[in-house]
Amino acid sequence: KQEVTQIPAALSVPEGENLVLNCSFTDSAIYNLQWFRQDPGKGLTSLLLIQSSQREQTSGRLNASLDKSSGRSTLYIAASQPGDSATYLCAGSQGGSEKLVFGKGTKLTVNP
Amino acid sequence: NAGVTQTPKFQVLKTGQSMTLQCAQDMNHEYMSWYRQDPGMGLRLIHYSVGAGITDQGEVPNGYNVSRSTTEDFPLRLLSAAPSQTSVYFCASSRQGFRGYTFGSGTRLTVV
Repeated sequence: KQEVTQIPAALSVPEGENLVLNCSFTDSAIYNLQWFRQDPGKGLTSLLLIQSSQREQTSGRLNASLDKSSGRSTLYIAASQPGDSATYLCAGSQGGSEKLVFGKGTKLTVNP
Repeated sequence: NAGVTQTPKFQVLKTGQSMTLQCAQDMNHEYMSWYRQDPGMGLRLIHYSVGAGITDQGEVPNGYNVSRSTTEDFPLRLLSAAPSQTSVYFCASSRQGFRGYTFGSGTRLTVV
């Protein structure tokens, strides 16, 4: 059974810091990966999508990469802002399936 | 606005009652899924569908039924509500070929 671990579970940083969130899969055969943001009491907002032929995606201050040999993904947030405070979730699917398996998330707090 | 619409947003049920959570998308997505989100457990897949007339079970299907008579709609039925089904339920949809999932805003269900 595929399991997803997100480290750290919680992170508190001062505004302006660059930070890295980690995600790892017990079965490294991850085909596609999606990073989401979830604000308290809200739904999931898609941040970045890495499809099977890709290794990295960038959007503004966010960069996500996927190492398919190890089944590990990182989300890099540059110059963090208080508005980045939220829970960040990674989810992946394996070849032949488009079902997503989720990690439990990293709760990020960016302090002014 | 294009997206995934879930109704109701909040619901309180008594043990043993039945109800249907509604989910509709207007993006002509083939894939639709239901997840539940519980504290400390992350998001877990209940049921999913790869197209009209085709459904399959996810990780935690017991106590829930689904059907997919149209591309747009994917209702989730609770047959006889139990307190263990107290959770936040999310519906999601995606185009075939893993173009990334779009999530609804969720239904917060309490079973007393």
